[in-house]
Amino acid sequence: GAGVSQSPSNKVTEKGKDVELRCDPISGHTALYWYRQSLGQGLEFLIYFQGNSAPDKSGLPSDRFSAERTGGSVSTLTIQRTQQEDSAVYLCASSSGLAGTYEQYFGPGTRLTVT
Amino acid sequence: AQSVTQLGSHVSVSEGALVLLRCNYSSSVPPYLFWYVQYPNQGLQLLLKYTTGATLVKGINGFEAEFKKSETSFHLTKPSAHMSDAAEYFCAVRAGAGKSTFGDGTTLTVKP
Repeated sequence: GAGVSQSPSNKVTEKGKDVELRCDPISGHTALYWYRQSLGQGLEFLIYFQGNSAPDKSGLPSDRFSAERTGGSVSTLTIQRTQQEDSAVYLCASSSGLAGTYEQYFGPGTRLTVT
Repeated sequence: AQSVTQLGSHVSVSEGALVLLRCNYSSSVPPYLFWYVQYPNQGLQLLLKYTTGATLVKGINGFEAEFKKSETSFHLTKPSAHMSDAAEYFCAVRAGAGKSTFGDGTTLTVKP
């Protein structure tokens, strides 16, 4: 079956512009995660959606970052007024949410470059 | 709270040699532990996981890891390195559902 997909694969934007990154999780997966991977760094948690529960936004670095998940499926991560330090690879992952099956399946990422 | 420490940001081995990538974790509850591999310009792929039960877990590509609660470790090993194993490896800990906390990664280089 299809895995997690993300679009665009690459995005170059000017400082101060807004960007939207899209994630299509595996069909039927109720949990969706966004992470950020800066050059030479590990993965930094951003936000987590589980079903209809309120999302865990504890990792969002500033109020310029927001995310939504429509219809329990597709998710969009929005970065407003981008800064150069936002340059990173943004990874989306999904999991089934079933007890005992907590592995996450990752998409290929969106490489964001802010010039 | 949970955290992960990967000892050694870069590990280099010769082809055919033992691979040992170290991971120590902290977790306030019994953890779920994972190793992921990332090839250049790709997402993360799950190598193996520990949830409950047998503490020695086997994964894909000949890798295995042992959960040692007393040492709070989950080191990744492979008896014989192959050139195709060159990649970045991430250890992650999770306390049930919710977010995973990842280590900073270890880049494995395999020399011919």
